[in-house]
Amino acid sequence: SAVISQKPSRDICQRGTSLTIQCQVDSQVTMMFWYRQQPGQSLTLIATANQGSEATYESGFVIDKFPISRPNLTFSTLTVSNMSPEDSSIYLCSVEASGLANYNEQFFGPGTRLTVL
Amino acid sequence: DAKTTQPPSMDCAEGRAANLPCNHSTISGNEYVYWYRQIHSQGPQYIIHGLKNNETNEMASLIITEDRKSSTLILPHATLRDTAVYYCIVPQPGGSYIPTFGRGTSLIVHP
Repeated sequence: SAVISQKPSRDICQRGTSLTIQCQVDSQVTMMFWYRQQPGQSLTLIATANQGSEATYESGFVIDKFPISRPNLTFSTLTVSNMSPEDSSIYLCSVEASGLANYNEQFFGPGTRLTVL
Repeated sequence: DAKTTQPPSMDCAEGRAANLPCNHSTISGNEYVYWYRQIHSQGPQYIIHGLKNNETNEMASLIITEDRKSSTLILPHATLRDTAVYYCIVPQPGGSYIPTFGRGTSLIVHP
C-alpha cells in the first residue's frame, strides 16, 4: 500500500489569492493525480502528473489556473491560482499502485478542504 | 470508461448484509469492475475488483452476473463505520488506469 499525506488539511483564503497544496507519498510512484470534489459532488480529475514531464490536464482545467509541480517520485504540488468562491472544494491527490500491488489500485490522500471567501 | 448506474442511496441495519447493486451493461470482455468507497471527510478507499469470477476479501464480496452486465457489492455484516458513498467503476483497459467517479450510492447503516 501507499501512505499519502497532504498539506494543508484545510484553509480559508481570500478571493484573488493563490494556495499551493502539497502531496507526499511514502514510496516512489510514477503517476500522481489531482482531483477536485466540489461540495456534494463526486470526484473530478484535474490532471495527471508524471515525474520529469509536464502535467496532462483534463478538459476544463488549464495550467494557468492549476499549475502542478512534480519534482521527484514522491512529491507533487497543486496550486489553485487567483481563487474565487467557485474554487471552494476538496482537493485530493492520488497515486496509481500498479507497482505496489498486483492490480491497478489507486490510493488517495486525505484531501485539502479549501474555502474561498 | 464503461457507464455505470447505481442507486443514489440505500440504508441498512447494523449487523445485516448490505447489498449494493451496479449496472454496467456496456462493459466489454476485458474490462474489470472496481469498487471504492468514500467515508465522510476522507479520500476514497479501494474495496475490491473483479473480472468475471466472484471475489471475496476481508472487506467485502463482489458478485458479478454471468453476462457481466451487473454486479453486487456485499458487505456481509454492516457496521456504522461502513456508512459511506460507494462507487462502482469500470475503467478502460490498457495503459494507465484512471478511475472516473460517478455519483455512487450513499449507504447509511443505522443502529
